[in-house]
Amino acid sequence: EPEVTQTPSHQVTQMGQEVILRCVPISNHLYFYWYRQILGQKVEFLVSFYNNEISEKSEIFDDQFSVERPDGSNFTLKIRSTKLEDSAMYFCASRRWVTGELFFGEGSRLTVL
Amino acid sequence: DQQVKQNSPSLSVQEGRISILNCDYTNSMFDYFLWYKKYPAEGPTFLISISSIKDKNEDGRFTVFLNKSAKHLSLHIVPSQPGDSAVYFCAASAGGGADGLTFGKGTHLIIQP
Repeated sequence: EPEVTQTPSHQVTQMGQEVILRCVPISNHLYFYWYRQILGQKVEFLVSFYNNEISEKSEIFDDQFSVERPDGSNFTLKIRSTKLEDSAMYFCASRRWVTGELFFGEGSRLTVL
Repeated sequence: DQQVKQNSPSLSVQEGRISILNCDYTNSMFDYFLWYKKYPAEGPTFLISISSIKDKNEDGRFTVFLNKSAKHLSLHIVPSQPGDSAVYFCAASAGGGADGLTFGKGTHLIIQP
């Protein structure tokens, strides 16, 4: 069964460092998303991406964040200068059509020290 | 501003009985609703969805009911099984374009033997 895969599963970084989280969406999917879940809180939408550009972003997704689809398979989330409050579980998701279920990866846990 | 609310952080149900998880929303533009199930250290897994043109959708042991006038939906699990123990997230989408999902905070369902 096709699935969304994410790497790394856990990353520990120092405050102020750059972090890149990687995702391989399901191959025939066209819409890509990043969500995050701070420990004990709800899953929050960060950004959606379609046709090689951002289609929607939340207020959380400020200038420190960027997304990229550098090739036909990877979808990355970059945090330029991490802050303590960026510590969270980051989930990548994808779907084939504009509506319908999202398929989530298992998440990348980011710990900022 | 919580557009999707799950007011019960946890729910305990005996095995074999019915589990009812509730969700309320405030945004009248939402027209597609989904339930996701999440185990610890895993990404959310799609469970069942419903479009605003319907008031009920059934899939095996899972049924979702939508009451548009009350802006309320519920997930029924019958009969409840130990493997159903997880956090359940209600999510909604306004549709059109590549909108992200808005999640509730989740309800931790515990099935007791």
